[in-house]
Amino acid sequence: DVKVTQSSRYLVKRTGEKVFLECVQDMDHENMFWYRQDPGLGLRLIYFSYDVKMKEKGDIPEGYSVSREKKERFSLILESASTNQTSMYLCASSFPQASTQYFGPGTRLTVL
Amino acid sequence: AQRVTQPEKLLSVFKGAPVELKCNYSYSGSPELFWYVQYSRQRLQLLLRHISRESIKGFTADLNKGETSFHLKKPFAQEEDSAMYYCAGGADGLTFGKGTHLIIQP
Repeated sequence: DVKVTQSSRYLVKRTGEKVFLECVQDMDHENMFWYRQDPGLGLRLIYFSYDVKMKEKGDIPEGYSVSREKKERFSLILESASTNQTSMYLCASSFPQASTQYFGPGTRLTVL
Repeated sequence: AQRVTQPEKLLSVFKGAPVELKCNYSYSGSPELFWYVQYSRQRLQLLLRHISRESIKGFTADLNKGETSFHLKKPFAQEEDSAMYYCAGGADGLTFGKGTHLIIQP
């Protein structure tokens, strides 16, 4: 059974703080993704990675960066958190080429 | 650019009535299309994908290339079908629609 875990379910940070969101998958998937989920806007792709140390910008990369040092781990970094980054963040992983994506439980981030 | 459109933000039907959640896509090439579901307080999970042509929890979805649609259907809604439904498609990465909140009234 595929397992995608995220480091925190809930996180509260202050404006300007550096925030790390961690995601780990145990299925040896090449692809990993970070989305944010907002009411009325659906899921929007922030960044994805198709291999270790590789990254590609998604639709809304501004204000975010990512790191993939190991195949199973994909980190999302908010260099200087802002209130408009308050959201639910979802991590997903998959085998290559639009194969089924498996999602983590999400991290609800609040930036005050 | 690939685009997935779900025209309904909210759909409310009575238990036992038929359900149709609409999804239209636009890309070049052959799309891979999926329906994902998120029940209350649960993670987003795959419901079905067009290439498998299967019925999951009574739901089916047919790819209509002429109309560029992939609507999700169920003949008789059940209360446990209440959830957020997302249509998604793409080649290298998935593009998600904005989602439809399905409410099944008793």
